[in-house]
Amino acid sequence: ETGVTQTPRHLVMGMTNKKSLKCEQHLGHNAMYWYKQSAKKPLELMFVYNFKEQTENNSVPSRFSPECPNSSHLFLHLHTLQPEDSALYLCASSQAEAGSHTGELFFGEGSRLTVL
Amino acid sequence: AQTVTQSQPEMSVQEAETVTLSCTYDTSESDYYLFWYKQPPSRQMILVIRQEAYKQQNATENRFSVNFQKAAKSFSLKISDSQLGDAAMYFCAYKQGAQKLVFGQGTRLTINP
Repeated sequence: ETGVTQTPRHLVMGMTNKKSLKCEQHLGHNAMYWYKQSAKKPLELMFVYNFKEQTENNSVPSRFSPECPNSSHLFLHLHTLQPEDSALYLCASSQAEAGSHTGELFFGEGSRLTVL
Repeated sequence: AQTVTQSQPEMSVQEAETVTLSCTYDTSESDYYLFWYKQPPSRQMILVIRQEAYKQQNATENRFSVNFQKAAKSFSLKISDSQLGDAAMYFCAYKQGAQKLVFGQGTRLTINP
């Protein structure tokens, strides 16, 4: 496989469930990102990991918990979500973030989350 | 804080015609990067074209070109000879130094056969 792969593509969960989104990149990148894409809103950056270290948490509620075990894998653990958390969650990767000025991100296809 | 504004939520164009998508941004910086990303339905978002602010020449990638007006803080995308595969959401984005990409709200482009 090449590129950035996200699983599952679709997820429906209740507010009391615990689930996880997974992202894997095969590009040799060192920075990985979680974005939230809601209808009629700009993409919202949630978390950034650079060389497995979290470098940004954009005031994301604690019901979203990221995990980056290595530079190729990124998880988003979900628990006690709210209906307003329903959105498309996009994973992206890039070359090492520090000093990177090109701005090119490589995105996965996203995980469509519905919270009932 | 930098902001990126795409004033056209939706646009449509006839196949083979030319369409221009608008983008304006707000910044006090002089050195930065601007981007157009394309997100086809149920497919990955990909980079279409990139412009460095210090370059006066407008970037071009095959049928895609930009009109970069630095003083006006405007960065429009022109798609020539539109094809059905160009149908997608298009996002304008800004990046300055090591700061994160800032995206606009997106423009949904429809290609009419």
